[in-house]
Amino acid sequence: TQLLEQSPQFLSIQEGENLTVYCNSSSVFSSLQWYRQEPGEGPVLLVTVVTGGEVKKLKRLTFQFGDARKDSSLHITAAQTGDTGLYLCAGVKGSQGNLIFGKGTKLSVKP
Amino acid sequence: ETGVTQTPRHLVMGMTNKKSLKCEQHLGHNAMYWYKQSAKKPLELMFVYSLEERVENNSVPSRFSPECPNSSHLFLHLHTLQPEDSALYLCASSQDRTSPNIQYFGAGTRLSVL
Repeated sequence: TQLLEQSPQFLSIQEGENLTVYCNSSSVFSSLQWYRQEPGEGPVLLVTVVTGGEVKKLKRLTFQFGDARKDSSLHITAAQTGDTGLYLCAGVKGSQGNLIFGKGTKLSVKP
Repeated sequence: ETGVTQTPRHLVMGMTNKKSLKCEQHLGHNAMYWYKQSAKKPLELMFVYSLEERVENNSVPSRFSPECPNSSHLFLHLHTLQPEDSALYLCASSQDRTSPNIQYFGAGTRLSVL
C-alpha cells in the first residue's frame, strides 16, 4: 500500500489550461514538499508546507496543505510548456525522519 | 545548479564489472542520501548518512556498498549487479534530518546493467 497517493498519474493538457494534481494519505505529516523533475534531471524543490490549511503561491502555482495535514494539492493556472515534468510530493512523519515520496504526476503541456 | 553534483551522468556496466558512483555537495549539509528511481515506482531510499555515519540501510542488497569519507562526499560502490538494478540513482543532501528535511538532489546517474 502506497503511503502517499498521487493523482492523476498522467495528465496531458493544452497550453493555457488550468489543472490540479493531488497528493493524498491516511497518515498525518509534519511537513510536505512538492518537487518538479524534468527528464534527465533530479527533483527540484518547489515549495514546503508545514501548517494545516496553509496556502502558498509561487507565480502561477498554488499549493495547499490540508487542514488535517494528510493531503495536499497543486493548482497551476494557465499552464505553459515549461511546466512539463514529473511532479512529486513528499512528506515527513514526526519531528525527524525520512522523506516519503509519492509516485508522481507526469504532466505534459502541449503548445 | 542545486549544489549537489553527481558523476558520471550515464553508466553502462556488465554484470561482472565493479564501478562507483560519486556525489559531492557544496552546501555545507550534514546529511546525505542515496535513492533509486525506477519507472512506475516512488523514489526508493537506499542509504542515509548523518554526520558521516550511516544511520539507515533500507534492506539494500550487499552488491551496493555506500561510503561517506567526509560530510561533502558520498560514494556508491557497485559490483556484480543484476539487470533489474538498471535505474536512475539520485544523491541528495539536507541540512539535517529534522522536519521539514528539505533535500537538494543531484541530476542523477542513469545506470544500465547489461
